[in-house]
Amino acid sequence: GENVGLHLPTLSVQEGDNSIINCAYSNSASDYFIWYKQESGKGPQFIIDIRSNMDKRQGQRVTVLLNKTVKHLSLQIAATQPGDSAVYFCAENAGGTSYGKLTFGQGTILTVHP
Amino acid sequence: DTEVTQTPKHLVMGMTNKKSLKCEQHMGHRAMYWYKQKAKKPPELMFVYSYEKLSINESVPSRFSPECPNSSLLNLHLHALQPEDSALYLCASSQGQGALMNTEAFFGQGTRLTVV
Repeated sequence: GENVGLHLPTLSVQEGDNSIINCAYSNSASDYFIWYKQESGKGPQFIIDIRSNMDKRQGQRVTVLLNKTVKHLSLQIAATQPGDSAVYFCAENAGGTSYGKLTFGQGTILTVHP
Repeated sequence: DTEVTQTPKHLVMGMTNKKSLKCEQHMGHRAMYWYKQKAKKPPELMFVYSYEKLSINESVPSRFSPECPNSSLLNLHLHALQPEDSALYLCASSQGQGALMNTEAFFGQGTRLTVV
């Protein structure tokens, strides 16, 4: 399953499918990006990050892809599980005088059906 | 220990009350943050402290007053709030200052604030 940008904030997939969550960021000066997972009633939980000198980074079952040309970030989750159901946020940091200032995207609700 | 601990978990306060939110981390992080999150919206940055000094204030109204007593603690003092200030208030921490702030930020579970 895949959502496109910030205009389709809900993604529903079946357990075992691969999921792709997309994010369009706005600041071409951003040089650090993070994906967070937020479950209901909890704070955001770090999933994976990537710096602007990379275009791909892999973690456990997750991969982040960065396309600076079109200012696009994606999170791929392999073999999605019901426990992956949550809201997923991308966040960007522009560095410079904005060090520490994370700007979050609108979020995508991922629902995984058993 | 990769925990950021926030207290209380829930808070209901009247518009004339004064209350404080507390945040603690023992990861040796020198940057700490307050974010505000409304329902079904992303977190929005309010304040950033680096080495116990306020480095970013995102034009937050003065009825919110942050304080960083030491490198492990961050408080948010609340006074004369409005019902529209009801939200989830999140604390976070990350390493260092400058470029070292561009590292993973760990978030607490938040304080659910209701202003009546």
